[in-house]
Amino acid sequence: GNSVTQMEGPVTLSEEAFLTINCTYTATGYPSLFWYVQYPGEGLQLLLKATKADDKGSNKGFEATYRKETTSFHLEKGSVQVSDSAVYFCALTFGNEKLTFGTGTRLTIIP
Amino acid sequence: SQTIHQWPATLVQPVGSPLSLECTVEGTSNPNLYWYRQAAGRGLQLLFYSVGIGQISSEVPQNLSASRPQDRQFILSSKKLLLSDSGFYLCAWVGQATPNTEAFFGQGTRLTVV
Repeated sequence: GNSVTQMEGPVTLSEEAFLTINCTYTATGYPSLFWYVQYPGEGLQLLLKATKADDKGSNKGFEATYRKETTSFHLEKGSVQVSDSAVYFCALTFGNEKLTFGTGTRLTIIP
Repeated sequence: SQTIHQWPATLVQPVGSPLSLECTVEGTSNPNLYWYRQAAGRGLQLLFYSVGIGQISSEVPQNLSASRPQDRQFILSSKKLLLSDSGFYLCAWVGQATPNTEAFFGQGTRLTVV
């Protein structure tokens, strides 16, 4: 079946550091890929997405590129802020089937 | 615009008591609906999903059940709560009309069973 493997957390960085959270997937075919963010005490919000190979999703300074050859969708940001502290989830879906999530990575940014 | 409402936001229930969490969606028709649970420090576990009224698929055997009495209403229930049912419950919907679209989540219900 489909699965998503996400970088284990927690991750702690200093403000303005470079961020990478790794995400790889296993699926038959070419799914759509997503990054969701969950701020403390809240539901999940879509951060960015890519629906086909080589697409780059971007939002709020975050980027992720759909790499078919490595089945990866790593999340990156050049300079993190304290307000980026949250839990980040990588996910995949085919069409409108149920989303398959990774286990989440807790990110803490210290000033 | 589409919105999703989930309530209550927090709930403390004794072991053995019943549970009913409700989720409603506005601004769309015939959505796919989902219930997820997030245990402390863990990822998201899909509990139930529904592609239409009265159609419920269960992902894991457990103490919970779900119902979809109306197109945009999804209810999570239990007859007798266990301590292990504690967690953060999230409702989500996906539009069927647009493929490869993202899911939209409610604000969640934090359930503590004592």
